[in-house]
Amino acid sequence: TQLLEQSPQFLSIQEGENLTVYCNSSSVFSSLQWYRQEPGEGPVLLVTVVTGGEVKKLKRLTFQFGDARKDSSLHITAAQPGDTGLYLCAGASGSSYKLIFGSGTRLLVRP
Amino acid sequence: GAVVSQHPSRVICKSGTSVKIECRSLDFQATTMFWYRQFPKQSLMLMATSNEGSKATYEQGVEKDKFLINHASLTLSTLTVTSAHPEDSSFYICSAPDRSYTEAFFGQGTRLTVV
Repeated sequence: TQLLEQSPQFLSIQEGENLTVYCNSSSVFSSLQWYRQEPGEGPVLLVTVVTGGEVKKLKRLTFQFGDARKDSSLHITAAQPGDTGLYLCAGASGSSYKLIFGSGTRLLVRP
Repeated sequence: GAVVSQHPSRVICKSGTSVKIECRSLDFQATTMFWYRQFPKQSLMLMATSNEGSKATYEQGVEKDKFLINHASLTLSTLTVTSAHPEDSSFYICSAPDRSYTEAFFGQGTRLTVV
């Protein structure tokens, strides 16, 4: 069974601080996605990483895929209250695009 | 981008009744769709893979007779929660990958409350 462990599970920080969320697995994934989810809504895709060692930047968000394609990290610089939400990593393997979701990180950015 | 529409967004039903949730791909064809379940403050758990024209594939521990999945067309998959009980109350979300299987599009989710 493929598992994705995310850490931390919950993070409460002050506006302007930096943070990193980790997503780790013992399995290799063909691609890994990061999503953000608001209460009562479906997850919204932030980024997809497919190449080991890949780094992608999306404004204040930096995503990295581990060299062995087993782990990933999400770094947010100068967090804002609008960044508050549930962050989920999800790994895909094979050709069916069946996603296995991580345990989630709930982020609260206080003004 | 592609859109996946889920209906209804909220439903309240009495214990013992059945509820059907629809998942439609609006501007693309989806031979495969996925159904997830999410409990409060938890992550998404894959329930089953819905395959157009064939039987769904259920994840370990998911009762196929409880959660009936029908994927009768390339744009519609339905999940029916049969004989619902309060413990079935949850947030159900569907997704469909694009044709090239490079991105998954999610529905808005359905909040099911069984009373």
